[in-house]
Amino acid sequence: QVHLVQSGAEVKKPGASVKVSCKASGYTLTGNYMHWVRQAPGQGLEWMGWINPNSGDTNYAQNFQGRVTMTRDTSISTAYMELGRLRSDDTAVYYCARGVSYDYTLIDYWGQGTLVTVSS
Amino acid sequence: DIQMTQSPSSLSASVGDRVTITCRASQGIRNDLAWYQQKPGKAPKRLIYAASSLQSGVPSRFSGSGSGTEFTLTISSLQPEDFATYYCLQHNNYPLTFGGGTTVKIK
Repeated sequence: QVHLVQSGAEVKKPGASVKVSCKASGYTLTGNYMHWVRQAPGQGLEWMGWINPNSGDTNYAQNFQGRVTMTRDTSISTAYMELGRLRSDDTAVYYCARGVSYDYTLIDYWGQGTLVTVSS
Repeated sequence: DIQMTQSPSSLSASVGDRVTITCRASQGIRNDLAWYQQKPGKAPKRLIYAASSLQSGVPSRFSGSGSGTEFTLTISSLQPEDFATYYCLQHNNYPLTFGGGTTVKIK
């Protein structure tokens, strides 16, 4: 059974960085792309980008270019999303979400989410 | 960017009602559309993919239709566990974009 287990909630100051982890189980991390999606409080879903865990290739949404870095450690089946130069409007729940093997742009399973609060 | 316009943004319905939610794409996306259900404090769960294919394990009262620019999610007979927020996702073009969500509330 596929499980994506994310790291715990974070509180950060404006200008800092946050790194969220996503540990995959029930499948091989390198077999599927990993997407990151965020949801501000009471708002909708916003796609941030994906990483191909096999090659390390990434594709970031324009809104996050220059601030986001997605990486992976295949030895521990874990993907990471680091967002820098945090602002108060980056306060959100951040989700990792698996891309389907035959169509990597399509998302099937989601992690439980990680709340990142940016506050001075 | 492809804009996904979802309507209504919320609706009130009773158990047993038939509910229809619509997503309109600002340009054609073939059938590269999925529907997700999200309950408060939980991650989204996939219901429908390829516009009309039912995810394994999802009750058959859920169905999807459409192609191109107009898509619908239908719940044929609303059950208590279906009160949630529903989102569409287009994955035809980057950036992937979601509809604004439809919250289904108890009447």
